[in-house]
Amino acid sequence: EIVLIQSPATLSLSPGETTTLSCRASQSVSSYLAWYQQRPGQPPRLLIYAASNRAAGIPARFSGSGFGTDFTLTISSLEPEDFAVYYCQHRSNWPYTFGQGTKLEI
Amino acid sequence: QVQLVESGGGVVQPGRSLRLSCGASGFTFSNYAMHWVRQAPGKGLEWVAVISNDGNNKNYVDPVKARFTISRDNSKNTLYLQMNSLRVEDTAVYYCAKDPRGHHTGTLDSWGQGSLVTVSS
Repeated sequence: EIVLIQSPATLSLSPGETTTLSCRASQSVSSYLAWYQQRPGQPPRLLIYAASNRAAGIPARFSGSGFGTDFTLTISSLEPEDFAVYYCQHRSNWPYTFGQGTKLEI
Repeated sequence: QVQLVESGGGVVQPGRSLRLSCGASGFTFSNYAMHWVRQAPGKGLEWVAVISNDGNNKNYVDPVKARFTISRDNSKNTLYLQMNSLRVEDTAVYYCAKDPRGHHTGTLDSWGQGSLVTVSS
């Protein structure tokens, strides 16, 4: 099973700032990595798929990069609604797994 | 617009069974693989199972293998999760989620609101 480690666990930031979240895989997942956002009391929402492709309706301030074992999610000019938990997830092979999440807080 | 609505959750004793349903609308259900993902209270996300669009291919994670069964009825646009021999550690919100392809890709492009299952004596 591929393990995904996200860092940091928590980030304290302010609206308007830019931040980068990290996800590291225990072995290569090629570009088979996605990012999800989960706001309190809500289901997750797909942000990025195939490491760098924004899902439909996702603002351009969200961008993803990486290949193999190291990936990043960058959020530019944080909006109040961006304060949430972010999960990376691989689909390289079964079982698909999620990282433990990074909480973005004000 | 894609809509996924889970139902069937509740409180159940350890060792008992429960069946979750997920009603789908807004898309051609029979064209897409479907997934169940769960989230224990205050914890992260864990995959549970996946089924192909025609129901012929299924995968389960080890903790639920031989206890849970994923199935679908394409004539009713409904996904199911039969959960047997439930354990306290199965307590979670269970989400159904849609795959963008018929044979699962592992990308979850739409999610339901979830159904809470509590296993407790």
